[in-house]
Amino acid sequence: DQQVKQNSPSLSVQEGRISILNCDYTNSMFDYFLWYKKYPAEGPTFLISISSIKDKNEDGRFTVFLNKSAKHLSLHIVPSQPGDSAVYFCAASAKGSSNTGKLIFGQGTTLQVKP
Amino acid sequence: ETGVTQTPRHLVMGMTNKKSLKCEQHLGHNAMYWYKQSAKKPLELMFVYSLEERVENNSVPSRFSPECPNSSHLFLHLHTLQPEDSALYLCASGRGGVGTDTQYFGPGTRLTVL
Repeated sequence: DQQVKQNSPSLSVQEGRISILNCDYTNSMFDYFLWYKKYPAEGPTFLISISSIKDKNEDGRFTVFLNKSAKHLSLHIVPSQPGDSAVYFCAASAKGSSNTGKLIFGQGTTLQVKP
Repeated sequence: ETGVTQTPRHLVMGMTNKKSLKCEQHLGHNAMYWYKQSAKKPLELMFVYSLEERVENNSVPSRFSPECPNSSHLFLHLHTLQPEDSALYLCASGRGGVGTDTQYFGPGTRLTVL
């Protein structure tokens, strides 16, 4: 059972416009959410995160929104640039006694930004 | 970015071979992780080490054997693998702990099992 889902496998956006990547989760124990970007032949690179006590976190062109009631988060990139073309993964971690910092990842969304 | 390094970057091995993947982190983190990424699938957590102790094993077959000699190094020993084990193997490190940990990934080892 997939606890973190990215239902759009791909997204194409024109340079300069907004890119919106979506992620849904099912586990109400998740309290920390992250977005990673991955280029081919490289490992995922951390982009931005948000704690469940917030509903928005902004870092430059990247903003993450969290809607806990809907169990939904989104990543906004504005303005989008061709160098943003990559696979984007959302991930979540849950409160618990294991103390391992375990992350659960979505399947990824491939973003293409066209010049 | 040299925070987390992995060697080799590419590995081709037969089903009867024994090989090892190496990961090293230079971030002063206490926790290290092995993930597997197969085509069209999410990253799957394999093992977690916290302060050099294995704290999680996600039902991984015994042909994968991790080793964490110290908090900076992590190995994944491979033996008698199957072709379906071909995947990208990613190492990550983090401070460990519940909730607010961010993990930092290495570039991965692309493994092909013939």
